[in-house]
Amino acid sequence: DGGITQSPKYLFRKEGQNVTLSCEQNLNHDAMYWYRQDPGQGLRLIYYSQIVNDFQKGDIAEGYSVSREKKESFPLTVTSAQKNPTAFYLCASNGVAGVNEQFFGPGTRLTVL
Amino acid sequence: GQNIDQPTEMTATEGAIVQINCTYQTSGFNGLFWYQQHAGEAPTFLSYNVLDGLEEKGRFSSFLSRSKGYSYLLLKELQMKDSASYLCAVRSYGGATNKLIFGTGTLLAVQP
Repeated sequence: DGGITQSPKYLFRKEGQNVTLSCEQNLNHDAMYWYRQDPGQGLRLIYYSQIVNDFQKGDIAEGYSVSREKKESFPLTVTSAQKNPTAFYLCASNGVAGVNEQFFGPGTRLTVL
Repeated sequence: GQNIDQPTEMTATEGAIVQINCTYQTSGFNGLFWYQQHAGEAPTFLSYNVLDGLEEKGRFSSFLSRSKGYSYLLLKELQMKDSASYLCAVRSYGGATNKLIFGTGTLLAVQP
Protein backbone atom coordinates (compact mmCIF):
# COMPACT_ATOMS: atom_id res chain seq x y z
CA ASP A 1 0.00 0.00 0.00
CA GLY A 2 1.23 3.49 -0.82
CA GLY A 3 1.29 6.03 1.93
CA ILE A 4 3.16 8.07 4.49
CA THR A 5 4.42 6.61 7.73
CA GLN A 6 5.55 8.44 10.82
CA SER A 7 7.10 6.86 13.84
CA PRO A 8 6.69 6.66 16.67
CA LYS A 9 3.05 7.58 17.36
CA TYR A 10 3.91 8.87 20.84
CA LEU A 11 7.27 10.18 21.96
CA PHE A 12 8.41 11.41 25.34
CA ARG A 13 11.63 13.30 25.91
CA LYS A 14 13.27 15.22 28.69
CA GLU A 15 13.74 18.93 28.36
CA GLY A 16 17.07 19.81 26.75
CA GLN A 17 17.31 16.69 24.59
CA ASN A 18 17.21 16.71 20.82
CA VAL A 19 14.75 14.29 19.24
CA THR A 20 14.28 13.18 15.62
CA LEU A 21 10.88 12.35 14.16
CA SER A 22 10.81 10.13 11.12
CA CYS A 23 8.70 10.51 8.00
CA GLU A 24 8.78 8.05 5.11
CA GLN A 25 6.65 7.99 1.96
CA ASN A 26 6.42 5.49 -0.88
CA LEU A 27 4.16 7.63 -3.08
CA ASN A 28 7.05 8.82 -5.24
CA HIS A 29 6.25 12.41 -4.27
CA ASP A 30 8.86 15.11 -4.72
CA ALA A 31 7.46 17.60 -2.20
CA MET A 32 7.36 16.93 1.53
CA TYR A 33 6.28 19.08 4.47
CA TRP A 34 6.39 19.20 8.25
CA TYR A 35 3.60 20.83 10.24
CA ARG A 36 2.99 21.42 13.88
CA GLN A 37 -0.52 21.36 15.33
CA ASP A 38 -1.42 22.85 18.72
CA PRO A 39 -4.88 22.97 20.35
CA GLY A 40 -6.95 25.84 18.99
CA GLN A 41 -4.47 26.60 16.24
CA GLY A 42 -4.27 25.61 12.63
CA LEU A 43 -1.48 23.57 11.14
CA ARG A 44 1.69 25.65 11.00
CA LEU A 45 4.42 24.93 8.48
CA ILE A 46 7.85 24.19 9.93
CA TYR A 47 9.92 23.14 6.92
CA TYR A 48 9.26 21.93 3.41
CA SER A 49 11.25 20.32 0.64
CA GLN A 50 10.47 20.45 -3.05
CA ILE A 51 13.21 18.07 -4.12
CA VAL A 52 15.99 15.89 -2.77
CA ASN A 53 18.88 17.77 -1.14
CA ASP A 54 16.88 20.98 -0.93
CA PHE A 55 14.59 22.36 1.77
CA GLN A 56 13.14 25.68 2.86
CA LYS A 57 12.10 27.20 6.16
CA GLY A 58 8.41 27.53 6.80
CA ASP A 59 6.69 29.94 9.15
CA ILE A 60 8.01 28.51 12.43
CA ALA A 61 11.40 26.95 11.65
CA GLU A 62 13.27 28.20 14.72
CA GLY A 63 14.46 25.36 16.92
CA TYR A 64 13.96 22.72 14.22
CA SER A 65 16.16 21.17 11.55
CA VAL A 66 15.54 18.79 8.63
CA SER A 67 17.39 16.84 5.98
CA ARG A 68 16.32 15.42 2.63
CA GLU A 69 18.98 12.97 1.54
CA LYS A 70 16.49 10.57 -0.06
CA LYS A 71 13.26 11.21 -1.92
CA GLU A 72 11.35 8.91 0.42
CA SER A 73 12.54 10.36 3.72
CA PHE A 74 12.24 13.76 5.42
CA PRO A 75 13.21 13.50 9.11
CA LEU A 76 12.59 16.40 11.49
CA THR A 77 14.85 17.11 14.47
CA VAL A 78 13.39 19.06 17.35
CA THR A 79 16.33 20.69 19.06
CA SER A 80 16.72 21.95 22.61
CA ALA A 81 16.45 25.47 21.16
CA GLN A 82 12.74 24.96 20.50
CA LYS A 83 11.07 26.75 23.40
CA ASN A 84 7.78 24.87 23.42
CA PRO A 85 8.23 21.54 21.62
CA THR A 86 5.25 19.64 23.03
CA ALA A 87 2.82 19.32 20.10
CA PHE A 88 1.35 17.04 17.45
CA TYR A 89 3.66 16.84 14.44
CA LEU A 90 2.34 15.98 11.00
CA CYS A 91 4.32 15.11 7.89
CA ALA A 92 2.78 15.49 4.44
CA SER A 93 3.70 15.07 0.81
CA ASN A 94 2.25 15.86 -2.56
CA GLY A 95 2.92 14.93 -6.15
CA VAL A 96 2.06 16.70 -9.37
CA ALA A 97 -0.94 14.67 -10.50
CA GLY A 98 -4.54 15.80 -10.20
CA VAL A 99 -5.16 18.65 -7.78
CA ASN A 100 -1.86 18.05 -5.98
CA GLU A 101 -3.51 17.62 -2.61
CA GLN A 102 -1.25 16.97 0.31
CA PHE A 103 -1.37 13.52 1.86
CA PHE A 104 -0.69 13.34 5.58
CA GLY A 105 1.01 10.80 7.77
CA PRO A 106 -0.62 9.63 11.03
CA GLY A 107 1.35 12.12 13.12
CA THR A 108 3.68 11.94 16.11
CA ARG A 109 2.62 13.36 19.44
CA LEU A 110 5.73 14.67 21.17
CA THR A 111 5.67 15.40 24.88
CA VAL A 112 8.65 17.07 26.48
CA LEU A 113 8.79 16.56 30.23
CA GLY B 1 -1.09 39.53 5.20
CA GLN B 2 -2.61 36.13 4.90
CA ASN B 3 -5.55 35.10 7.02
CA ILE B 4 -8.14 32.33 7.06
CA ASP B 5 -11.22 32.44 9.28
CA GLN B 6 -13.67 29.68 10.11
CA PRO B 7 -15.95 29.10 13.09
CA THR B 8 -14.39 27.32 16.03
CA GLU B 9 -17.24 24.94 16.79
CA MET B 10 -20.58 23.85 15.35
CA THR B 11 -23.24 21.41 16.45
CA ALA B 12 -25.72 19.64 14.19
CA THR B 13 -28.19 16.77 14.34
CA GLU B 14 -27.82 13.38 12.73
CA GLY B 15 -29.53 13.33 9.33
CA ALA B 16 -29.47 17.10 8.97
CA ILE B 17 -27.42 19.41 6.73
CA VAL B 18 -24.63 21.65 7.99
CA GLN B 19 -22.67 24.40 6.25
CA ILE B 20 -19.16 25.31 7.44
CA ASN B 21 -17.94 28.67 6.19
CA CYS B 22 -14.41 29.82 5.48
CA THR B 23 -13.22 33.30 4.53
CA TYR B 24 -9.71 34.03 3.43
CA GLN B 25 -7.31 36.82 2.53
CA THR B 26 -4.22 35.65 0.72
CA SER B 27 -1.95 36.67 -2.10
CA GLY B 28 -1.43 34.49 -5.13
CA PHE B 29 -4.53 32.32 -4.63
CA ASN B 30 -4.11 28.93 -6.26
CA GLY B 31 -6.91 26.80 -4.88
CA LEU B 32 -8.79 26.01 -1.69
CA PHE B 33 -8.87 22.64 0.07
CA TRP B 34 -11.10 21.13 2.71
CA TYR B 35 -9.76 18.41 4.98
CA GLN B 36 -11.44 16.28 7.64
CA GLN B 37 -9.51 15.44 10.79
CA HIS B 38 -10.67 13.11 13.53
CA ALA B 39 -9.11 13.68 16.93
CA GLY B 40 -5.51 12.50 17.09
CA GLU B 41 -5.48 11.39 13.46
CA ALA B 42 -4.16 12.67 10.14
CA PRO B 43 -6.18 15.13 8.08
CA THR B 44 -7.78 13.49 5.05
CA PHE B 45 -8.57 15.33 1.83
CA LEU B 46 -12.25 16.06 1.15
CA SER B 47 -12.51 18.57 -1.66
CA TYR B 48 -10.78 21.15 -3.81
CA ASN B 49 -11.96 24.32 -5.53
CA VAL B 50 -9.94 26.58 -7.77
CA LEU B 51 -12.73 28.08 -9.92
CA ASP B 52 -15.92 29.73 -8.69
CA GLY B 53 -18.84 27.43 -8.12
CA LEU B 54 -19.92 24.25 -6.46
CA GLU B 55 -18.08 20.94 -6.45
CA GLU B 56 -20.17 17.95 -5.35
CA LYS B 57 -18.80 14.67 -4.06
CA GLY B 58 -21.42 12.39 -2.58
CA ARG B 59 -22.67 13.80 0.74
CA PHE B 60 -20.05 16.54 0.65
CA SER B 61 -20.08 19.69 -1.49
CA SER B 62 -17.78 22.69 -1.51
CA PHE B 63 -18.37 26.15 -2.90
CA LEU B 64 -15.95 28.91 -3.81
CA SER B 65 -16.30 32.60 -4.59
CA ARG B 66 -12.88 34.05 -5.35
CA SER B 67 -14.14 37.64 -5.58
CA LYS B 68 -15.54 37.40 -2.05
CA GLY B 69 -12.70 35.33 -0.61
CA TYR B 70 -15.29 32.85 0.60
CA SER B 71 -15.86 29.13 0.61
CA TYR B 72 -18.18 26.73 2.36
CA LEU B 73 -18.32 23.01 2.94
CA LEU B 74 -21.78 21.47 2.92
CA LEU B 75 -22.37 18.15 4.60
CA LYS B 76 -25.68 16.41 3.92
CA GLU B 77 -27.39 13.50 5.68
CA LEU B 78 -25.11 13.89 8.65
CA GLN B 79 -23.86 10.76 10.35
CA MET B 80 -22.30 10.36 13.78
CA LYS B 81 -18.97 9.53 12.14
CA ASP B 82 -18.93 13.03 10.62
CA SER B 83 -18.06 14.40 14.07
CA ALA B 84 -14.58 15.75 13.40
CA SER B 85 -12.62 18.91 12.78
CA TYR B 86 -12.90 20.41 9.30
CA LEU B 87 -9.90 22.35 8.06
CA CYS B 88 -10.01 24.99 5.36
CA ALA B 89 -6.66 25.52 3.60
CA VAL B 90 -5.64 27.90 0.85
CA ARG B 91 -2.84 27.17 -1.56
CA SER B 92 -0.76 30.24 -2.10
CA TYR B 93 1.35 30.24 -5.21
CA GLY B 94 4.71 31.84 -4.74
CA GLY B 95 7.48 31.10 -7.16
CA ALA B 96 8.05 27.37 -7.42
CA THR B 97 6.24 26.46 -4.24
CA ASN B 98 2.65 25.49 -3.51
CA LYS B 99 2.36 25.99 0.20
CA LEU B 100 -0.88 25.53 2.12
CA ILE B 101 -2.12 27.99 4.71
CA PHE B 102 -4.55 26.43 7.16
CA GLY B 103 -7.38 27.88 9.16
CA THR B 104 -7.77 26.84 12.79
CA GLY B 105 -10.41 24.27 11.91
CA THR B 106 -14.10 23.92 12.79
CA LEU B 107 -14.95 21.23 15.31
CA LEU B 108 -18.29 19.70 14.32
CA ALA B 109 -20.28 17.71 16.84
CA VAL B 110 -23.08 15.58 15.40
CA GLN B 111 -25.75 14.75 17.95
CA PRO B 112 -28.32 11.94 17.79
